[in-house]
Amino acid sequence: QKEVEQNSGPLSVPEGAIASLNCTYSDRGSQSFFWYRQYSGKSPELIMSIYSNGDKEDGRFTAQLNKASQYVSLLIRDSQPSDSATYLCAVNNRGNQFYFGTGTSLTVIP
Amino acid sequence: DTAVSQTPKYLVTQMGNDKSIKCEQNLGHDTMYWYKQDSKKFLKIMFSYNNKELIINETVPNRFSPKSPDKAHLNLHINSLELGDSAVYFCASSQDWGSLQETQYFGPGTRLLVL
Repeated sequence: QKEVEQNSGPLSVPEGAIASLNCTYSDRGSQSFFWYRQYSGKSPELIMSIYSNGDKEDGRFTAQLNKASQYVSLLIRDSQPSDSATYLCAVNNRGNQFYFGTGTSLTVIP
Repeated sequence: DTAVSQTPKYLVTQMGNDKSIKCEQNLGHDTMYWYKQDSKKFLKIMFSYNNKELIINETVPNRFSPKSPDKAHLNLHINSLELGDSAVYFCASSQDWGSLQETQYFGPGTRLLVL
């Protein structure tokens, strides 16, 4: 079982819709959770981090964490074509090692 | 100024050659990392250094040898390159080691193609 699992997609949403990206992790003791965005041919860039159960909002982005279900998600409201990218979920476990999922490819259709 | 830089950006070489990739960060961070991203976008940590000392050494062939001359630099030397080494190699840095809320900042990547 992989440390972090994501649906690889591709996920397509129309412009203006809500995009929902999901991630599950295997280490119940994981403490920190991150969402990175990676455009094709570019490096990952951090868009959200979350450390406690519940929701965390930043502009059009909302991260949701449920430690009991070992589940973290990212919602993108009012999706724009510029949001088209691969979204990587990352988890920092108790050993302070970062594990990344394989990413979900998102396409926002104008 | 570029926060985390890598050279070269592209590297095309023959099997069996030895090559190095350099990484520098000007963020004043204590911890640096090397990741390998394969064609399926899977990003896997290879090494982590904190204050020039090796902290994490994942299951990586010993053909790969990291070297950290100082806190701001972490280089990756690869001996006897194989076809399977073709990937994008990312360097990253974070402020400290041990804080679970550390954010990693990535370099632009080095695209290695072994022929």
